[in-house]
Formats: sequence, structure tokens, C-alpha cells
Amino acid sequence: EAQVTQNPRYLITVTGKKLTVTCSQNMNHEYMSWYRQDPGLGLRQIYYSMNVEVTDKGDVPEGYKVSRKEKRNFPLILESPSPNQTSLYFCATRDTWTYEQYFGPGTRLTVT
Amino acid sequence: DAKTTQPPSMDCAEGRAANLPCNHSTISGNEYVYWYRQIHSQGPQYIIHGLKNNETNEMASLIITEDRKSSTLILPHATLRDTAVYYCIVRVNTNAGKSTFGDGTTLTVKP
Repeated sequence: EAQVTQNPRYLITVTGKKLTVTCSQNMNHEYMSWYRQDPGLGLRQIYYSMNVEVTDKGDVPEGYKVSRKEKRNFPLILESPSPNQTSLYFCATRDTWTYEQYFGPGTRLTVT
Repeated sequence: DAKTTQPPSMDCAEGRAANLPCNHSTISGNEYVYWYRQIHSQGPQYIIHGLKNNETNEMASLIITEDRKSSTLILPHATLRDTAVYYCIVRVNTNAGKSTFGDGTTLTVKP
């Protein structure tokens, strides 16, 4: 079964404590992406990766890092989280030449 | 990517067809129309896409006007579980990385 998994699903943390949200897909897709969703602001793209070792900024990359060392995984790293990064985060993947994206279940992050 | 315009909200009676419109008057010849939906706080779900011809799958039908300036997503027999935000997105099938979702239409299916 085609799957995009994210961990953790829920996380409450404190300002400044580094955290990583993992994303994994089993569809052998080259493209992966991270979004955040906030009330009234919709889905906004943070970073995307076109292939292993290739990443690029989306619309709201400040305060985030990503890495793509293998095709199936695309972790999102918050080196020093702040309360304005409290949000619902989604990882997505798609085949390169189509816009048919598959999203993970989401990670709800609260930074106090 | 072409800009899309969708009504902010719509209601539909359970069991009736839900017809969700999308205007994309600046669409280019090689741009596809994609539809997604997002049930409250879940990850968006791909529904259907098309270029020129009408398309149908197990979830919905997509009707694209002949001039391609607008389209309609049809859920033939809406259920309460179809209550969601529906996004219409127009873009070329390239490997371009950036991705944008608009505000979508909030469809509420009522008993």
C-alpha cells in the first residue's frame, strides 16, 4: 500500500529545543515536500526536494532545515523552534512529471 | 501557474450531487486542472485531474469547458464524509518544485 508516514503525529516542545519531524514514503518518488498549515493562511510550502541531495526553498523556509540523503526519507529540522512555528505540518510526495501528490497524516507541533 | 477562483463555501444535501466550480480564465494550453480535498486537519487528498476532456474516477467527475476557462468537480452522491475543503489547482505537468494551494471551497454536506 502506498504510504507517506510522519513521526511524531503530535509534539509539544519548548522554545529553542531542537527537534526533527520525520517523513518517509514507499512509492519510490523523487519529489518530496513539506508544508505548514495555519488557520486563515492555508497550506504554505516550506521546502521541497527534487531528488536525493537536491533541496530548495518554498515560500516559508525561515527557521527550518531539511536534508535528503536517501530517496524515501525527507526529515524536517527545527534547530531552534519558536512559538510562531506552532502549526500543522504535512509532508507530501509525488512522481516527478505529475502534480498528483500524496500527503502524510500531519504532525501537530506546539512550541511553548 | 494560472490563477484560480473558487467560491469560499457551498452547501449540499446528502445524497444529492455536489457541483464545485472553478474559474481559471488565464489557463495555458499545457496546464492541467487538478482537484484535491482536505477533510478537517487531515492531509490533502488527490481527487482527479484533466487537461481537456472530461474525466471520471471512483471519487468524482471533472467537467472542463470547451474553452478550458472553467471547470466543475462533481461528487455524484454526496455523503456527510464529503464535507471538506476542495482545492482547484492549475499547473503544468513539469518537474518544477514549487507548489501552491489556494483557499479552496469549503463544502458542507447536510443531512
